[in-house]
Amino acid sequence: DADVTQTPRNRITKTGKRIMLECSQTKGHDRMYWYRQDPGLGLRLIYYSFDVKDINKGEISDGYSVSRQAQAKFSLSLESAIPNQTALYFCATSEGQGSEKLFFGSGTQLSVL
Amino acid sequence: GNSVTQMEGPVTLSEEAFLTINCTYTATGYPSLFWYVQYPGEGLQLLLKATKADDKGSNKGFEATYRKETTSFHLEKGSVQVSDSAVYFCALRNNNNDMRFGAGTRLTVKP
Repeated sequence: DADVTQTPRNRITKTGKRIMLECSQTKGHDRMYWYRQDPGLGLRLIYYSFDVKDINKGEISDGYSVSRQAQAKFSLSLESAIPNQTALYFCATSEGQGSEKLFFGSGTQLSVL
Repeated sequence: GNSVTQMEGPVTLSEEAFLTINCTYTATGYPSLFWYVQYPGEGLQLLLKATKADDKGSNKGFEATYRKETTSFHLEKGSVQVSDSAVYFCALRNNNNDMRFGAGTRLTVKP
């Protein structure tokens, strides 16, 4: 089983709909991240969390919100999806201070029509 | 602010050719530098890293040297294989633990 699991793998939705992407991890890491990947732009950080009570905005947090329900779970929500949020979304984890290696899930392809 | 610029792709090489993918960075302080690789249909995986100037990261035949004087961290491999076909991302991490990625370079190796 994957250490970092994202659900769903693919999602097609319509403009204005609320969408939640979920991420769970079995690595026991404190730190979790959400990135989006767009062609030609690489990965951009949306939100990150260093523990259950810690939530921080990344480069491009507008239009997104997150919830850290437990150490192992970090969900990303689009309250009212718009077409330019069509992208590949990745969840990642890392151990903590002093450990710089990120572990990524397989991604969720979201299409907003 | 902190940012990474890497050469645009795609890059297409024949098997056993020499690979260079250029990466330069802009950062305050002394960031750590990374190369991540993304195989088709998968998330990114750490390929190698360097945490201070003049360090050389290496893994699976790939190398990159942290050059502070030129603010660069170019990825090299002496002889590429078909299995190296992937997208390669240069990244930096500064003191506030914010990881910034480049746009990615797609490499295709033909037999």
